[in-house]
Amino acid sequence: GAVVSQHPSRVICKSGTSVKIECRSLDFQATTMFWYRQFPKQSLMLMATSNEGSKATYEQGVEKDKFLINHASLTLSTLTVTSAHPEDSSFYICSAREAGRPLHFGNGTRLTVT
Amino acid sequence: DAKTTQPPSMDCAEGRAANLPCNHSTISGNEYVYWYRQIHSQGPQYIIHGLKNNETNEMASLIITEDRKSSTLILPHATLRDTAVYYCIVRVDGQNFVFGPGTRLSVLP
Repeated sequence: GAVVSQHPSRVICKSGTSVKIECRSLDFQATTMFWYRQFPKQSLMLMATSNEGSKATYEQGVEKDKFLINHASLTLSTLTVTSAHPEDSSFYICSAREAGRPLHFGNGTRLTVT
Repeated sequence: DAKTTQPPSMDCAEGRAANLPCNHSTISGNEYVYWYRQIHSQGPQYIIHGLKNNETNEMASLIITEDRKSSTLILPHATLRDTAVYYCIVRVDGQNFVFGPGTRLSVLP
């Protein structure tokens, strides 16, 4: 069964609003979680690394003030897309690292900004 | 940048073996080879990984050449549900996963 749960699976929001996406590790503690973005017909692009109890590390070109990441506990990381615009419409995927095991991925969140 | 090269697409007949190649000629000694697949509109699914030896699990087999510069993922009896994009990734334990474009496998009835 799924070991990483992502919610919501799809969301539609109006331009200028903010959207929060949750990523939970279900039966293990994840000190590190990763957030990816995927545009249609493209591969996954790493946005940021989320570390429990500390600031996230963002990849080059990803605006940290626009994509707020909070990793408040060992089982939960959230990504908030602030002041969303249509160009932020994408498939957002989280993953979590369990010690000694391959990376687990959530099932993604399809964000559509109208 | 991804450190692997894969064909952009492949077809396979249902019930036959699907052999997906991956070139990783610059792989270093402590880098593992991982395979994931992504079915449309879902998150990537782990398939198999290995370092030097060939590996087999309930999903697939991984054949790594002796020089480790390439590998092949084998789905022994492909089904229509195996249609997906398959990603070959090399990484050192603890590093980020960097996804390339992968191979789009179409299993045909």
